[in-house]
Amino acid sequence: EAGVAQSPRYKIIEKRQSVAFWCNPISGHATLYWYQQILGQGPKLLIQFQNNGVVDDSQLPKDRFSAERLKGVDSTLKIQPAKLEDSAVYLCASSSTSMETQYFGPGTRLLVL
Amino acid sequence: DAKTTQPNSMESNEEEPVHLPCNHSTISGTDYIHWYRQLPSQGPEYVIHGLTSNVNNRMASLAIAEDRKSSTLILHRATLRDAAVYYCILRAIAGGTSYGKLTFGQGTILTVHP
Repeated sequence: EAGVAQSPRYKIIEKRQSVAFWCNPISGHATLYWYQQILGQGPKLLIQFQNNGVVDDSQLPKDRFSAERLKGVDSTLKIQPAKLEDSAVYLCASSSTSMETQYFGPGTRLLVL
Repeated sequence: DAKTTQPNSMESNEEEPVHLPCNHSTISGTDYIHWYRQLPSQGPEYVIHGLTSNVNNRMASLAIAEDRKSSTLILHRATLRDAAVYYCILRAIAGGTSYGKLTFGQGTILTVHP
């Protein structure tokens, strides 16, 4: 069974630029999550989708971050414009339901200069 | 969200058992105890979970105190590949805004010496 795929794996941008990350969850998984992990900390949930609807985006900085899951399968997370403090690893995870085990992708490491 | 407390770091020797403690004194009756681990440069992976009884799987064992205010993840024979950050997480199975969520703390960094 293929795992959660993410791309790109690494990204370096200048502050105030835009960046987008892509995630393809495990086939059939209805629930998709985006986490932000700052160096030395545990992952923090940014947004949770159930199919193509948002369940929780309470910790998403909506002035600069946006995410979509239009067809209820893959998802993109965008930052526009990026700030230095956005440097982190962005992890995507999926689960068959919101109570089942979450499976994580390898993450995208973002460096904002 | 109910919180957990873990030591910042622990060390072990290869092929010896490792006991990773977690305190969760404010656990509620609807919280499952989950453990995830994160290997270097990878996303977290599920290890084990339980509610009241001790649990075993191919990766580890989970010992839960009778009052559920603490638990211990047991790796029976540590290998170099077990070096990772181990997260103890309380996951609500009913009600409220925390339903189903994983709230990660800083975890325990496990170092395994050859």
